[in-house]
Amino acid sequence: QVQLQQSGPGLVKPSQTLSLTCAISGDSVSSNSAAWNWIRLSSSRGLEWLGRTYYRSQWYNDYALSVKSRMTINADTSKNQVSLQLNSVTPEDTAVYYCAREYSAGPFRAWGQGTLVTVSS
Amino acid sequence: DNQMTQSPSSLSASVGDRVTITCRAGHTIRNYLNWYQHKPGKAPKLLIYAASSLQSGVPSRFSGSGSGTDFTLTISSLQPEDFATYYCHQSYNPPYTFGQGTRLEIK
Repeated sequence: QVQLQQSGPGLVKPSQTLSLTCAISGDSVSSNSAAWNWIRLSSSRGLEWLGRTYYRSQWYNDYALSVKSRMTINADTSKNQVSLQLNSVTPEDTAVYYCAREYSAGPFRAWGQGTLVTVSS
Repeated sequence: DNQMTQSPSSLSASVGDRVTITCRAGHTIRNYLNWYQHKPGKAPKLLIYAASSLQSGVPSRFSGSGSGTDFTLTISSLQPEDFATYYCHQSYNPPYTFGQGTRLEIK
């Protein structure tokens, strides 16, 4: 049973960097059948896919166009976790952020508990 | 991006009703369509994957159909615990996209 445990600050100041981690248990971040996604939920935009990282002999990343210039997703194999960094945040980045494991053909069966991140001074 | 258009955006129904939610993709996604249920304070829950496959543990009153660009989620007989927001999600090609959601409310 895959479990995802998120951590990170709930309050970030405008123009600063939002950083979250997702610790994985019951699976390997380097699994050849998994991809590790970040998704956010806001009242204004609903669910929004942000990006993913996955390992297929090397590491790959995909990002949503709306955040591509500001976002980095990394995997840490020593800690078996993935991280999200979103630079230059604005109040529009206020949302609940989730990590999720993608299975083959794309469904997200396992989710983190969610982290409410508020961007405010 | 492959835009997903979900309708209706909200729906009022009674316990025992049959309800249908539709989702249309801007471009074909074959059967790479998933449905989630979301309740406040919880993570979204996968209901249907690959357009019509029922996720393990999900009640059989939930069903999905469609392929290409047009998809539906049907709840055959609404139960009190089904009042929530539902989202479709295309996983054909990144960037993945979600529908804007359907809020299912008690009439």
